[in-house]
Amino acid sequence: AQSVSQHNHHVILSEAASLELGCNYSYGGTVNLFWYVQYPGQHLQLLLKYFSGDPLVKGIKGFEAEFIKSKFSFNLRKPSVQWSDTAEYFCAATGFQKLVFGTGTRLLVSP
Amino acid sequence: ETGVTQSPTHLIKTRGQQVTLRCSSQSGHNTVSWYQQALGQGPQFIFQYYREEENGRGNFPPRFSGLQFPNYSSELNVNALELDDSALYLCASSLEGSAGANVLTFGAGSRLTVL
Repeated sequence: AQSVSQHNHHVILSEAASLELGCNYSYGGTVNLFWYVQYPGQHLQLLLKYFSGDPLVKGIKGFEAEFIKSKFSFNLRKPSVQWSDTAEYFCAATGFQKLVFGTGTRLLVSP
Repeated sequence: ETGVTQSPTHLIKTRGQQVTLRCSSQSGHNTVSWYQQALGQGPQFIFQYYREEENGRGNFPPRFSGLQFPNYSSELNVNALELDDSALYLCASSLEGSAGANVLTFGAGSRLTVL
């Protein structure tokens, strides 16, 4: 069955630190990949998506993610985080099944 | 454009009761998906409705059922509530048949507590 794994459940960073959140999916066919973000008290919002083409995709608020097919990975990165990036981040994938989410990573950025 | 709206935002039920949650899809979207997000977990796919019919279902028992109406709004019904049904129920809409079919717009959710 298709699944999505996020390796870090909680991450604490200081402002201006670099961020990388890991995501791996298990599905051998064509997949669409997503990162969603949930800010405190707000609903899930799309951060970025990959359907095809350039494996390095850029999203909102300076986030980017790289699709590495050979590693079944779609890691999220940001060179310099801000306090306002404190949120929960979910990786998700579609393929054989409807959108499947990982368990999420809670990011806390201290000022 | 209007977003996805869900009601009620919070509700408390007791075991064995039934609950109905409602969702209005984003303007222009024809597909509605429902997800269950338990505390500390990612959203789990319940089912999807397209053209008023179920169009995909996750690993949830039949006591979870739904409807989609001609205006694309939707209901999620859960019968014989169990304690483990306590969760945030998320509705998401999308436009099936387009390149953005998999891009979901989420509502704020309905938080159900079962006592």
